[in-house]
Amino acid sequence: GAGVSQSPRYKVAKRGQDVALRCDPISGHVSLFWYQQALGQGPEFLTYFQNEAQLDKSGLPSDRFFAERPEGSVSTLKIQRTQQEDSAVYLCASNIPNQETQYFGPGTRLLVL
Amino acid sequence: AQSVTQLDSQVPVFEEAPVELRCNYSSSVSVYLFWYVQYPNQGLQLLLKYLSGSTLVKGINGFEAEFNKSQTSFHLRKPSVHISDTAEYFCAVSARPGKLIFGQGTELSVKP
Repeated sequence: GAGVSQSPRYKVAKRGQDVALRCDPISGHVSLFWYQQALGQGPEFLTYFQNEAQLDKSGLPSDRFFAERPEGSVSTLKIQRTQQEDSAVYLCASNIPNQETQYFGPGTRLLVL
Repeated sequence: AQSVTQLDSQVPVFEEAPVELRCNYSSSVSVYLFWYVQYPNQGLQLLLKYLSGSTLVKGINGFEAEFNKSQTSFHLRKPSVHISDTAEYFCAVSARPGKLIFGQGTELSVKP
């Protein structure tokens, strides 16, 4: 079946703009994760959903970052009033609960000018 | 809390030579261990994982890793690399099924 898809693949935003990044998990995957990968760094955890419930948002760097998954499938990561330090690749992953392997999407590369 | 240290940021190697990418972790609880590979402009792909049992784990593309609890290491090895193995490699841990903690990555560059 299809893997995890993310859109857009690339996004350029002016500082202060709001952006929305979309993730479509693998069908039937209950768990969904968001990670932020800065240039030359490893991915860092942002937040985790099980179905529509956001169980862990400890990695969100500020209150400008907000994630939702209202119907337990597609998820959106929203960044308000973007700053240059938000420039990164945003990765989405999904899996079945208690399954150790996470399946990653191709990421959205965000550049804030 | 858990942390991961990848000891080499870049590893250049000639084609058909052996390679080892080093990974050390820190955790006060038992962890699961993973190696992921990232090709340019792509997402992360699982190479192999250690959950329990045999400490030598075999993965895709001829890679293997050995879990060493006393040294808290999980080094990745391949006896003979190909040009196509050129990529970024990430070691990761999780304390339970859930969020992954990644290392900084090792850039493997295979030269002809």
